[in-house]
Amino acid sequence: NAGVTQTPKFRILKIGQSMTLQCTQDMNHNYMYWYRQDPGMGLKLIYYSVGAGITDKGEVPNGYNVSRSTTEDFPLRLELAAPSQTSVYFCASSSITGGGEQFFGPGTRLTVL
Amino acid sequence: QKEVEQNSGPLSVPEGAIASLNCTYSDRVSQSFFWYRQYSGKSPELIMSIYSNGDKEDGRFTAQLNKASQYVSLLIRDSQPSDSATYLCAVGNNAGKSTFGDGTTLTVKP
Repeated sequence: NAGVTQTPKFRILKIGQSMTLQCTQDMNHNYMYWYRQDPGMGLKLIYYSVGAGITDKGEVPNGYNVSRSTTEDFPLRLELAAPSQTSVYFCASSSITGGGEQFFGPGTRLTVL
Repeated sequence: QKEVEQNSGPLSVPEGAIASLNCTYSDRVSQSFFWYRQYSGKSPELIMSIYSNGDKEDGRFTAQLNKASQYVSLLIRDSQPSDSATYLCAVGNNAGKSTFGDGTTLTVKP
């Protein structure tokens, strides 16, 4: 099992550009999450999904969009990138029966200049 | 008040000592409690989960939960330099979501 995979690992965007961060998990987990982590800080929830076709906002959703068409994939879309979106983005998944333990991907380091 | 608060750190202990990491939370209906370890430049990795009051031991790690005091802690016995990392406390609800603290950075000195 590859677990949770994310692409790309690194990306530099110019202000106003858009991009999609990809996330795939092969553990058949129902729950998937997107977090951002700013330097020296904890994880802030951007969006989450409890299953295919169901998504909901987290703590910091502004400037982002998500979709969940399959159990495996949970892409995060950034529209009109801003310097405030410079961060490390982590995707995670958990099982509906797993007690809430989350498994994280390796992260995407995004810089907006 | 933050929903999940951790020692501001950094915490430094000598090799072989006990490291004690603390976390308090504000939501009394929280169901599940987790400790994740995050090495610099890496993603968080679950090391302990605890769901009921008391202690849970796994090797050199012990998690302690006191729901009445809304307090959860992580003890690392016989600390090793490889334990040097940031430790994130997370508190979960029954909807599958977790709220994370800002983390405590631990340095174990040889």
